[in-house]
Amino acid sequence: EDKVVQSPLSLVVHEGDTVTLNCSYEVTNFRSLLWYKQEKKAPTFLFMLTSSGIEKKSGRLSSILDKKELSSILNITATQTGDSAIYLCAVLGGGSQGNLIFGKGTKLSVKP
Amino acid sequence: GAGVSQSPRYKVAKRGQDVALRCDPISGHVSLFWYQQALGQGPEFLTYFQNEAQLDKSGLPSDRFFAERPEGSVSTLKIQRTQQEDSAVYLCASSGSGLFLNQPQHFGDGTRLSIL
Repeated sequence: EDKVVQSPLSLVVHEGDTVTLNCSYEVTNFRSLLWYKQEKKAPTFLFMLTSSGIEKKSGRLSSILDKKELSSILNITATQTGDSAIYLCAVLGGGSQGNLIFGKGTKLSVKP
Repeated sequence: GAGVSQSPRYKVAKRGQDVALRCDPISGHVSLFWYQQALGQGPEFLTYFQNEAQLDKSGLPSDRFFAERPEGSVSTLKIQRTQQEDSAVYLCASSGSGLFLNQPQHFGDGTRLSIL
């Protein structure tokens, strides 16, 4: 059965800290891995990763995929209270027509 | 529009009633997806459209769930004879990708459905 596992499930840090969120997957016919940020509303797209070892970066956020280890990490440096959210990892693959398989998410709380 | 639009934002219904949830995708997006998100969980796939064709409905939990996209744009998810376990946030996503699915899905704010 295809599955995506995220860790930790929740994390509390202070402003200025650096955090690393983990995502591992077991999916047949892997095509891509995506990270989303979810506050109270819609999951907001962060990154889409298809190639192993190539870091994608946007401001203080960065992510990289390791296809050998079937995993990805999302790094956030110099965290701010506005980074508090649930971070969702999703994988496109399996026998699907395009639906994403999501992990349960990591709930990040950044304290001032 | 600029993003995926869903309505209503909140829906409260009594058990046994029928409900209809609407999704207006990003203009020109070929692919449209419905997901169900229970509290504390990641979204789970329900169904997928490419234009007006429903290519995958394997995630629909029962035959009480029905989705359509008759003109390849706006989609409606209908739930008949609602049950308490149907209470969840229903998310719609669209993507510009067709067959090769190489573009990310963009989500609407969802409809929070509560069944009393």
